[in-house]
Amino acid sequence: EAQVTQNPRYLITVTGKKLTVTCSQNMNHEYMSWYRQDPGLGLRQIYYSMNVEVTDKGDVPEGYKVSRKEKRNFPLILESPSPNQTSLYFCASSTGAYNTGELFFGEGSRLTVL
Amino acid sequence: AQKVTQAQTEISVVEKEDVTLDCVYETRDTTYYLFWYKQPPSGELVFLIRRNSFDEQNEISGRYSWNFQKSTSSFNFTITASQVVDSAVYFCALRYILTGGGNKLTFGTGTQLKVEL
Repeated sequence: EAQVTQNPRYLITVTGKKLTVTCSQNMNHEYMSWYRQDPGLGLRQIYYSMNVEVTDKGDVPEGYKVSRKEKRNFPLILESPSPNQTSLYFCASSTGAYNTGELFFGEGSRLTVL
Repeated sequence: AQKVTQAQTEISVVEKEDVTLDCVYETRDTTYYLFWYKQPPSGELVFLIRRNSFDEQNEISGRYSWNFQKSTSSFNFTITASQVVDSAVYFCALRYILTGGGNKLTFGTGTQLKVEL
């Protein structure tokens, strides 16, 4: 089954404790992206990757890191989480010419930073 | 600047009413892509439609229809004979190509649709 898998789905952590949210897709998509969803703000892009070893900042990259060492994986790293990073996070991937097709989303990871 | 505006924060209708969700976008590009996604209470994001900037044909899929008008930079979504299962947050999004070959996708803030019996 074609899917985007995120882990963990739910996490409560404390300020400053490094964490990684993993994302994996099995559709051989080149494009992958991370979004955060906050009430009243919709979904905002954190980082995206056009292909392996090619990443770029989205609209709200501060406090986050990503890497794309393999095509299928695109982990989101919070080196020193802060309470303002409490949010619902979505990973997505897509294909199509120039990677402009529909985005396939993971189920979301709800992160709480105390 | 590339931007998507969904001015309707929340809409409440009674079942079987028709409802239109508005989406206005801003872009200077001639090539771009517009999307609608549905987010039901369970939280997942469900793809509904993709439309490129060169295709202004309206589309109908069952009770759903989309009206794309470049002249007004709008891509509105209508649900005919709404049902309780249509209750969700609906997002409009704009995907555009960056100089250098990358692309970004910008979402609106969403419209919460509540369909009541």
